[in-house]
Amino acid sequence: GAVVSQHPSRVICKSGTSVKIECRSLDFQATTMFWYRQFPKQSLMLMATSNEGSKATYEQGVEKDKFLINHASLTLSTLTVTSAHPEDSSFYICSASDGYSNQPQHFGDGTRLSIL
Amino acid sequence: QKEVEQDPGPLSVPEGAIVSLNCTYSNSAFQYFMWYRQYSRKGPELLMYTYSSGNKEDGRFTAQVDKSSKYISLFIRDSQPSDSATYLCASNSGGYNKLIFGAGTRLAVHP
Repeated sequence: GAVVSQHPSRVICKSGTSVKIECRSLDFQATTMFWYRQFPKQSLMLMATSNEGSKATYEQGVEKDKFLINHASLTLSTLTVTSAHPEDSSFYICSASDGYSNQPQHFGDGTRLSIL
Repeated sequence: QKEVEQDPGPLSVPEGAIVSLNCTYSNSAFQYFMWYRQYSRKGPELLMYTYSSGNKEDGRFTAQVDKSSKYISLFIRDSQPSDSATYLCASNSGGYNKLIFGAGTRLAVHP
């Protein structure tokens, strides 16, 4: 089955630090990747959609200058949380689609970000 | 009204019980329907994936979609403690389009 790898799985850092999270599709080409944020005991909240080679589309209320997304290749997308603060602490999850309408998205295992 | 509605539970059942999880949706454009299982501190894992109306069975899991009533169901037979997780229903109009998730139902199967 399709495998999506997300790295790192856990990050603990000081306030003001920028953190980069990688999302890789290991056995298929991901034309579209999605980034989600999940708070405890809540569902996934879509932050942005990224298509390979173009700018990401952000959901309403998500700061594009705060959450930088790069999708430079068909197997890699990155999310950078810039100048992170404690309120940015959350569980970040990516998913990937091969671009075919009849194929489901597959998710990474998530990154737990804790800002001290 | 949310596009996908799901009772968050929690739902607690004894081992061996049949579990029924349900969602409703409002967007007639939705064609693809998914059930994901999410264990604590893990990403969602795809369980079932169906297109349009009908039933799909995979082992102990059966997914049903009724487009006429906009109703999505997941049945788990012979439930096991290892099935204890949060179950998320999701829909979209195509694989490359954003998924709309339900709130997720927390299921606990006790021995």
